[in-house]
Amino acid sequence: EIMMTQSPGTLSVSPGERATLSCRASQSISTNLAWYHQKPGQPPRLILSAASTRAPGVPVRFSGSGSGTEFTLTISSLQSEDFAVYYCQQYQNYPRTLGQGTKVEIK
Amino acid sequence: VQLVESGGDLVQPGGSLRLSCAASGFTFSSFALHWFRQPPGKGLEWVGNINQDGSGKNYVDSVEGRFTISRDNAKNSLFLQMNSLRAEDTAVYYCVRSPQCSGGSCAPWGQGTLVTVSS
Repeated sequence: EIMMTQSPGTLSVSPGERATLSCRASQSISTNLAWYHQKPGQPPRLILSAASTRAPGVPVRFSGSGSGTEFTLTISSLQSEDFAVYYCQQYQNYPRTLGQGTKVEIK
Repeated sequence: VQLVESGGDLVQPGGSLRLSCAASGFTFSSFALHWFRQPPGKGLEWVGNINQDGSGKNYVDSVEGRFTISRDNAKNSLFLQMNSLRAEDTAVYYCVRSPQCSGGSCAPWGQGTLVTVSS
């Protein structure tokens, strides 16, 4: 089973600032990585797939990078609607596995 | 494009439950489907998946042998049969299309259905 580890657990950022979230896989997953965000009381929403491809309708302030075992999600200028929990998920192997989440909160 | 889960309920440990997921707005038989779950206040967990014609399935170890995923392509429906339920199966269950985005449109996650396993 591939373990996914996200850091930090919580990120405190002021609106308009840049946020950088990390995700590490316990073995290489190429670029078979998705990122989701989830607001309280709502289902997750896909924001990136293939490590760096934005889903339709996702703002350009969201960008992803990485391959192999190290991945990064960057939000260039945080908006109020971006404060949420972010999850990474690998789809290289079964079972599909997700990180424990990074909470992005208002500083 | 829509996925709507139903069937969640309060059930006693050791009991059974069948969840359904009704799909609309896309060619159901062309997509694999997954079940994810999220215990209250906790993170997401992948439960299992089924391929387009139902001939291939995968499960997370913790549900293998207890849960069964099936689909009815004629009725655009996905199912999750859950047996021998345990307290740790308590969660909101989501059905998810794979790939989630195709041809410029996405199938958003539904609101999920809550399964509570408790005596």
